[in-house]
Amino acid sequence: EAQVTQNPRYLITVTGKKLTVTCSQNMNHEYMSWYRQDPGLGLRQIYYSMNVEVTDKGDVPEGYKVSRKEKRNFPLILESPSPNQTSLYFCASSGGLDRTSPDTQYFGPGTRLTVL
Amino acid sequence: KNEVEQSPQNLTAQEGEFITINCSYSVGISALHWLQQHPGGGIVSLFMLSSGKKKHGRLIATINIQEKHSSLHITASHPRDSAVYICAGRRSYNTDKLIFGTGTRLQVFP
Repeated sequence: EAQVTQNPRYLITVTGKKLTVTCSQNMNHEYMSWYRQDPGLGLRQIYYSMNVEVTDKGDVPEGYKVSRKEKRNFPLILESPSPNQTSLYFCASSGGLDRTSPDTQYFGPGTRLTVL
Repeated sequence: KNEVEQSPQNLTAQEGEFITINCSYSVGISALHWLQQHPGGGIVSLFMLSSGKKKHGRLIATINIQEKHSSLHITASHPRDSAVYICAGRRSYNTDKLIFGTGTRLQVFP
């Protein structure tokens, strides 16, 4: 089954304790992204990757790191989490960009993170 | 002012009604997504379009790139259509950078 998986689904942690949220897709997609969703602010893009070893900042990259060492995986790293990073996080992937045939984004189930 | 604006923010309808959700944007984009988020939180991509119109079942999406406007229509609405609908613009052809509207919450009553 084609899917994007995220782990963990729920995480409660404390300020400053490094954490990683994993994201994996089984569709051989080139493009992957991380988003956060907050009440009243909607979805905002954190980072995106257009291929292995190619990543770029979205609108809210501060406090986050990503890596894309393999095509299928795109982990989100919070080196020193703070309470303002409490949010619902989504990973997504898509096959690629084509002017004549734009592609669909496939979203993971979400990770609810609470930083105390 | 948000670069991507949706209207209305909230919408209630009776089952069977025709529904329209609008998305306007103030920046140049190359394509636009319509997403659906159910109360459980999962997000599903409904459409991605760069011109004209697309139809899938009871859902129709249109876009006018020059006028910077897109609409999502639901014909013969059903309570299972109750969800948050989100539009998102792709900034240019050679990037995966998206900008999102804040969503339209739709409730369809039997």
